[in-house]
Amino acid sequence: AIQLTQSPSSLSASVGDRVTVTCRASQGISSALAWYQQKPGKAPELLIYDASSLESGVPSRFSGSGSGTDFTLTISSLQPEDFATYYCQQFNSDAVTFGQGTKLEIK
Amino acid sequence: QITLKESGPTLVKPTQTLTLTCTFSGFSLSTSGVSVGWIRQPPGKALEWLALIYWDDDKRYSPSLKSRLTITKDTSKNQVVLTMTNMDPVDTATYYCAHRRPFLGWFDPWGQGTLVTVSS
Repeated sequence: AIQLTQSPSSLSASVGDRVTVTCRASQGISSALAWYQQKPGKAPELLIYDASSLESGVPSRFSGSGSGTDFTLTISSLQPEDFATYYCQQFNSDAVTFGQGTKLEIK
Repeated sequence: QITLKESGPTLVKPTQTLTLTCTFSGFSLSTSGVSVGWIRQPPGKALEWLALIYWDDDKRYSPSLKSRLTITKDTSKNQVVLTMTNMDPVDTATYYCAHRRPFLGWFDPWGQGTLVTVSS
């Protein structure tokens, strides 16, 4: 199965900061990657699909990039509601996998 | 509007079989390309994909759990059922079902999740 490794595992940042989360796949997955945001006690919500396409209704401060094995999620200017855990997910193969998550905390 | 909701026992004993039902609305599992997946999340840990069922009844399972999982659908009832055998305390988790758009690979939306605790 394709493994996804996210870094960092946790990140402290301030409102207004620009932050980047990385997701690395154990083998090439083209652009078959999605990013989700999960808040405590809630189900994950889709942010980005096909590595760089912004889901409808998601603020434009979120962006995704990458292809092959290396991907990034960037938040251009952190807002209070963005403090959450972020997961990447690959769908290049039938065996879907998720990254281990990146917890974004308030500094 | 697509919605999904998981239901099932909140507590199961070790070695028992878990049966969870995902009841959905706003789409049909007979529509070409549509699929529904199950994903779980142990407390404080990461998401783990379990199984997928497609509109044509094709099925996919997590390689690490394949021997313990069965996924089925009842199109007339708009339900997907997941069974997991030989439950263990490490299977304690919130179990989610989620929709996948036709021929696409990401999950959207998700159900609210149901917490299943495995304990004697």
